[in-house]
Amino acid sequence: DIQMTQSPSSLSASVGDRVTITCRASQSISSYLNWYQQKPGKAPKLLIYAASSLQSGVPSRFSGSGSGTDFTLTISSLQPEDFATYYCQQSYSTPPVFGPGTKVDIK
Amino acid sequence: EVQLVESGGGLVKPGGSLRLSCAASGFTFSNAWMSWVRQAPGKGLEWVGRIKSKTDGGTTDYAAPVKGRFTISRDDSKNTLYLQMNSLKTEDTAVYYCTHWSSSGQKGAFDIWGQGTMVTVSS
Repeated sequence: DIQMTQSPSSLSASVGDRVTITCRASQSISSYLNWYQQKPGKAPKLLIYAASSLQSGVPSRFSGSGSGTDFTLTISSLQPEDFATYYCQQSYSTPPVFGPGTKVDIK
Repeated sequence: EVQLVESGGGLVKPGGSLRLSCAASGFTFSNAWMSWVRQAPGKGLEWVGRIKSKTDGGTTDYAAPVKGRFTISRDDSKNTLYLQMNSLKTEDTAVYYCTHWSSSGQKGAFDIWGQGTMVTVSS
């Protein structure tokens, strides 16, 4: 199975900050990488698919980049509603493994 | 409105069985690849298994920890997905989410999620 790692595991940031989360795959997954946001007590929500495509309805402050084994999720200007946990997930092969998550909280 | 609504969760003893259901609406369920994803309390997301559309063979795949114990099935006439869980273990305790896969192929994303249903395995 492909293994996924994320860094950092948590971060503290302020409203308006630029935030970057990194995801790494144990082998090349081309651009088959998705990002999800999960708030406490809620189901995850798809933000980015195929590494850099913004899901419909997701604000443009979210962006994704990368290919191969290294990927990045960037929030250009953190908003109060963005405090949440973010997961990456590879869709290159079965099983579709998720990263361990990055919790973004208020500084 | 696109929607997935899970039901059937609850408390069950180790070794017991439970069947979860997921009612789908707002999209063509019969064409959809569907999955179950779970989340243990305070932990991350774990894919449980998947069923393809009947058009694509209707086959299933499972994560190693549940293979041989869990069975995913579908009733396209009722727009409903099922997860039959047997020989339950304490480590199966989690919120179980029903999810829609965005493509009829390997490379897609979980683009629709249900609200989740809690399964607790405890004596």
